[in-house]
Parts: sequence; C-alpha cells; structure tokens
Amino acid sequence: GESVGLHLPTLSVQEGDNSIINCAYSNSASDYFIWYKQESGKGPQFIIDIRSNMDKRQGQRVTVLLNKTVKHLSLQIAATQPGDSAVYFCAENGNAGNMLTFGGGTRLMVKP
Amino acid sequence: DAGVIQSPRHEVTEMGQEVTLRCKPISGHNSLFWYRQTMMRGLELLIYFNNNVPIDDSGMPEDRFSAKMPNASFSTLKIQPSEPRDSAVYFCASGPQGIMNTEAFFGQGTRLTVV
Repeated sequence: GESVGLHLPTLSVQEGDNSIINCAYSNSASDYFIWYKQESGKGPQFIIDIRSNMDKRQGQRVTVLLNKTVKHLSLQIAATQPGDSAVYFCAENGNAGNMLTFGGGTRLMVKP
Repeated sequence: DAGVIQSPRHEVTEMGQEVTLRCKPISGHNSLFWYRQTMMRGLELLIYFNNNVPIDDSGMPEDRFSAKMPNASFSTLKIQPSEPRDSAVYFCASGPQGIMNTEAFFGQGTRLTVV
C-alpha cells in the first residue's frame, strides 16, 4: 500500500473492541495536533484534531486525548471495525502555523 | 469537490532522467505542501507554499529538487537528475487557511520508482 511498507508498530484488535493508539510528540511549542488515517493506496485522511487549550475532544467513534505535560497524544476508536484497519499518524504543527510534522505511524489491524 | 489531484499516480524512470510531479490543490485553498513518504523516513515535509509563495523549503533534500507554484491552482515538484534513492511516494496537500492551524487535505500520491 501507499504506506510503502513501513516497519511500523502494529496494534491488532478484535472487531468490536476499543483501540487505543498512542503518539509521543516532540515539540513543546506545538499547539495543534491532528490524527490522520492512511489506507492502502490512498493519501492520509483527516480524522480528528485538537488544540493545546483542550485535553480531550470527541468525534464519531473517535476520541483524542492530549497530555501536554508528557507530550503525549492518543487516539481512541470505539467498537473497532474492519474498515478501521489502516496506518494512523499523529501530526503536530511545531513552531510554525500549519506546517505539520508527522510521527512514524502505527498500523492497526482489525481481526474479524 | 474533487479534492487534491496529483499526476501521474505512478512514474517509473531511469536514473539521471528528469521527473516532474504535478498537483492541483483544492480550489480556494491558499496553502500547499509537498511531502515525501519512504520506508526509512516516514512522511517528510519537503516544501510549503502560502499564496503561491514558497515559505519554507528547508525539507527539500538537495539542489536536484525544485518546486514551483505559478498560480493558485497548480504546483510542480521536479527532480533533475533523478536517483534511485528518490524512489518514494510523493504527496501534495492543500489547506484552506494561511498560517492558521488547520488540517491539510492530501492527494492520492505519486509513486515514483527510479531504476
């Protein structure tokens, strides 16, 4: 797929279970964070974002948690479905606006 | 809205040849980004344009790489001469605002193979 076969950390979950994907970001000056999903053969797709004045944000079946103290971001997916299988990237804006820097990614595999 | 459109989807070229990748951002977006994705380095930002002007090209690997944005609806990334280590997937992304925080919308990518 277009994640070009990265040797990524892999999270394997059973369909219907909840998934938690973690990300440690690097720049304490970052004030905007995004989770992207990349399916095989496609570009990264926006899932959810969060600004640094928040510590939690919820979307449809997804929740992002931000812990600025330890520079940690997590993505929680409720009732994981086979269609959630993909590579997930966190991104931060660093020192300059919307120039996003991406983490290494985590591969989520959902077992039926 | 057709989204960000990149062409070609796949490109195979011989070492030493010039390669040009093309991008049409989403209409109305004034930020444009070129990223490269490889096994070793993941997703790297190569260059960022705002209102057609290059703002930050610190990610461009070397002088063999150049990018242009002649108007708001078109950008190119050129590699001349190409080398096997340039093989990667190249993504173009656009964003709806200038330097304010917002997500970038990605195209489908161009898979470049240099042999």
